[in-house]
Formats: sequence, C-alpha cells, structure tokens
Amino acid sequence: EAGVTQSPTHLIKTRGQQATLRCSPISGHTSVYWYQQALGLGLQFLLWYDEGEERNRGNFPPRFSGRQFPNYSSELNVNALELEDSALYLCASSKRANTHTQYFGPGTRLTVL
Amino acid sequence: AQKITQTQPGMFVQEKEAVTLDCTYDTSDQSYGLFWYKQPSSGEMIFLIYQGSYDEQNATEGRYSLNFQKARKSANLVISASQLGDSAMYFCAMREGSGGGADGLTFGKGTHLIIQP
Repeated sequence: EAGVTQSPTHLIKTRGQQATLRCSPISGHTSVYWYQQALGLGLQFLLWYDEGEERNRGNFPPRFSGRQFPNYSSELNVNALELEDSALYLCASSKRANTHTQYFGPGTRLTVL
Repeated sequence: AQKITQTQPGMFVQEKEAVTLDCTYDTSDQSYGLFWYKQPSSGEMIFLIYQGSYDEQNATEGRYSLNFQKARKSANLVISASQLGDSAMYFCAMREGSGGGADGLTFGKGTHLIIQP
C-alpha cells in the first residue's frame, strides 16, 4: 500500500511570492492534515480537510489556505510569503474513524529567500 | 501551559539497552489519544504507537511499548533492545476530543535519541 506522498520535495521562493504544496493521502483515507515544522517552533497544526471541506485550522493567518479535491488529495497555498514561512511542511492522512491515527508524508521543505 | 511536555531534549544510549522517553500531557478532555512518532534526519514522521485514554492495557508494537499512567498524565515510550537505526527525533503527540480529527495533533518539542555502538 502506497503511503502519503508530497510534492515537491523542495521549494525555493522569494518574499511576496506564492507557494503551492501538494499531498496525496493513503488510499481509503478521507482526512488530510497539514502541519508546519519550523526551526525552533516545533510541529504546529495548520489545517484539516475532510470530505472536501476545511474542518479546522490552527493559529495561522488567512494567507495560509488550501483545498481538498474529490479524490481526497490536497493543496496547501501560502500567499505573500515571508521569511519566517521557511519550514518543513508535513501532510498527514487518516481514515474517518475513531482511532484517527495520522500517517505522515515525507514533507516539502520550503525556503523563502 | 504546554499540553505535551518532553523533558529530555537529548539522550545517548548504548546499543541493545532499553530506552525510556518521557512524555507528560495536559488535557481536561475525558476522551483523548496519545501517539509517538519517530522522525529520522530525512524528515518523515513515522507512526510508532497509539494509546487511547480508555484503553486499559498499555499499548505495544514490536519493540515499542507505551507506559500509560493516566493519573499521572504520563505516556512514556519504551524501546527495548535499542538499535543503531533507532537514532532519531521522537515526538509525543495528543489528539483531544472524541474523534473526528478534532484540532489535529498537538506535539511535544521532541527528544533527540542517539544510539551509540
């Protein structure tokens, strides 16, 4: 069974640009979560999508947004990039069931210059 | 107050020894889940073990076991017979609420485990 996949592996942008990160969940999983792992800040919950809808978001500004497609894959968009957006962005997926174990992808490393 | 506290920023352990990684948590929910993940230098978060708040038995997965002490709000990870490949960052995480994904996972700051030959 294929795991969670993310693309691209690395992304380099300059301040003010937009970044788009992609995630494909494990087959059969309907929930997708996005996390940011910035140096010194640890792992922080960004967004949760389930059945195509945004269900919850963490304490991040609105320039962090995304969507989930009918095939349950997801995009994370970061607008008006700032230097502090440089981080590893991890996507996770889970079944819509009680245990909700989240399985993570390899991440996208975003560098903002 | 931090919801997940991992008090060991780094640990050095001899190969084949058992390792205990500490985790304490803070929640007022009755229903919650506790997770441990391993993050090698490659960056991917690897799920290791899960413990539900209503589970009466401590969770075990191969060489990993979770020492769950509900009254103390602790969920320590025990790795038996450590191997060089166990060297990585280890994160304790919590999901609060009765399911449905809730607010995502809350992570501790992690413990950097280094296994020495």
